[in-house]
Amino acid sequence: QQQVKQSPQSLIVQKGGISIINCAYENTAFDYFPWYQQFPGKGPALLIAIRPDVSEKKEGRFTISFNKSAKQFSLHIMDSQPGDSATYFCAASKEYSGGSNYKLTFGKGTLLTVNP
Amino acid sequence: NAGVMQNPRHLVRRRGQEARLRCSPMKGHSHVYWYRQLPEEGLKFMVYLQKENIIDESGMPKERFSAEFPKEGPSILRIQQVVRGDSAAYFCASSPRPGFGNSPLHFGNGTRLTVT
Repeated sequence: QQQVKQSPQSLIVQKGGISIINCAYENTAFDYFPWYQQFPGKGPALLIAIRPDVSEKKEGRFTISFNKSAKQFSLHIMDSQPGDSATYFCAASKEYSGGSNYKLTFGKGTLLTVNP
Repeated sequence: NAGVMQNPRHLVRRRGQEARLRCSPMKGHSHVYWYRQLPEEGLKFMVYLQKENIIDESGMPKERFSAEFPKEGPSILRIQQVVRGDSAAYFCASSPRPGFGNSPLHFGNGTRLTVT
């Protein structure tokens, strides 16, 4: 059972364009939604994260939009640059006993290519 | 301040051999998490350990896989009698307290295991 579905699998955008990646989740207990960026041969690095008490969070060129009723969230990359070319993963987590979120459920990833 | 260190970066094993993957958490971090990334898949949680304790191993295959985080030294993920399906990238992450809440979960650069 795939609890976090991510689309598209791959995305090609021109420099300066907007990249949009979407995720949908099933488990309503999820309460933490991060996005990770991964370059070839490297580990994933946290880009931006959101909690369900807000509908949008922006950090620089990266914005998460969150729709709790639809159980969907998306990553928008404004003014996309060739250096943004990487694989992007959405993830979700719920609070476990002891008040901690430690088990991330990842989407399958989106390979973003930004052409110069 | 060194990040999460994993070694080896690449490991080749023949079917039936043992694989040992090591993870040194960031300084001051006593909580370690192991994730596995199969080709073209997102990361999947395997196990969460504190020093000398396994907190949650719900993502670990029941046979051949084991993990430890001794009082001294790195965390070790051990795979006995490896099979081709174990070929994957194994990532370790660490945190200074249980879970990660709003703090970034820092991943290492992974160990890429190839079983021939």
